Amino acid sequence: DAKTTQPTSMDCAEGRAANLPCNHSTISGNEYVYWYRQIHSQGPQYIIHGLKNNETNEMASLIITEDRKSSTLILPHATLRDTAVYYCIVRPGEAAGNKLTFGGGTRVLVKP
Amino acid sequence: GAGVSQSPSNKVTEKGKDVELRCDPISGHTALYWYRQSLGQGLEFLIYFQGNSAPDKSGLPSDRFSAERTGGSVSTLTIQRTQQEDSAVYLCASSFGTGGLRGYTFGSGTRLTVV
Repeated sequence: DAKTTQPTSMDCAEGRAANLPCNHSTISGNEYVYWYRQIHSQGPQYIIHGLKNNETNEMASLIITEDRKSSTLILPHATLRDTAVYYCIVRPGEAAGNKLTFGGGTRVLVKP
Repeated sequence: GAGVSQSPSNKVTEKGKDVELRCDPISGHTALYWYRQSLGQGLEFLIYFQGNSAPDKSGLPSDRFSAERTGGSVSTLTIQRTQQEDSAVYLCASSFGTGGLRGYTFGSGTRLTVV
């Protein structure tokens, strides 16, 4: 699976948008970008995934650059409960590849 | 149940003892995964089950670790002759197929402490 690079940590203000970057310059054509988060003392939680088009769901938006070498997860209105470690992962899609490989993630602290 | 259930939630064991950790996946999920997370570290893949296929055991750190999944549902991770470095949170996840469409659903984990 392609390797991802994320900032180690970032702070954001409650109520503001949080933009979490991820670089995946070696991503191949059949690899999707997945985002998970892990709140303290809990298991990771799926947030969103995409291939090439931007995606939005009730939790977040995912913006993928045209060359697919990087992406940004956007939490539109961060709350204190969004404090967590956010993992960006690339892996083959439904038809191939199985296990997710988690890197170090970005530790996000939402401040009042 | 509505989510992935793991038991026990906490386990303290003496070095050298065997332990069994249990995972009840979401009903209907065909794939089941075990990961572990040492204190302050990322998630380390251990083993993966998909339907009736042979499991992917490539992440098991030693032959003291084994896992089985009976009847395509419940899974048990067994650690024999536990060592202090086995202390970690052991997380189980399940998914439809390979989790491409909806991702994995993780349980809350079993915190194993070897003393």
